[in-house]
Amino acid sequence: AQSVTQLDSQVPVFEEAPVELRCNYSSSVSVYLFWYVQYPNQGLQLLLKYLSGSTLVKGINGFEAEFNKSQTSFHLRKPSVHISDTAEYFCAVPSENQGGKLIFGQGTELSVKP
Amino acid sequence: NAGVMQNPRHLVRRRGQEARLRCSPMKGHSHVYWYRQLPEEGLKFMVYLQKENIIDESGMPKERFSAEFPKEGPSILRIQQVVRGDSAAYFCASSTLGGQGANYGYTFGSGTRLTVV
Repeated sequence: AQSVTQLDSQVPVFEEAPVELRCNYSSSVSVYLFWYVQYPNQGLQLLLKYLSGSTLVKGINGFEAEFNKSQTSFHLRKPSVHISDTAEYFCAVPSENQGGKLIFGQGTELSVKP
Repeated sequence: NAGVMQNPRHLVRRRGQEARLRCSPMKGHSHVYWYRQLPEEGLKFMVYLQKENIIDESGMPKERFSAEFPKEGPSILRIQQVVRGDSAAYFCASSTLGGQGANYGYTFGSGTRLTVV
């Protein structure tokens, strides 16, 4: 069965510093991968997705992620974070067995400090 | 073009009462998914519905929980005889395509935060 592991539950970082949020997945079939962001008391917003093609995917708000098949990773990066990036970030992969269902990681809470 | 609308945003129920959570999908979307987010946890799939059909309910607790998506009106997630452990955020998402088509990502609502006291 597929699974998603987000290696860091909390990532504190200072404003304008770079950040990397780690995600590893396990899947035996073709892989689609997603990163979602959840701002406090809000729903999830799609940041970016990997479906095929270039392994470097650019998303909204200056975020990007790189699909690495050999390491089964899809880490999210931003070269310079803002206070407004403070949120919870979720990595997700579609279920192999049932169409449409997403398997989410536990989430990483990014806290940007001034 | 409204997104996925969920109401109420916040719902407080006493133990033993019923909770009804509503989700109106985006215009043109006929596939609805419900997820639950317990405190300090990620989202867990509950149920996938199309109009008038339950496609996958593998994530639904066996008792007290039910879902529907009628031909007209919003999708409803119903929790009977709520207990404290039902306190969570419940999110709805919709897509134009079901099955593997939803792998292209779908749109989430802002959620209903249920508190059982």
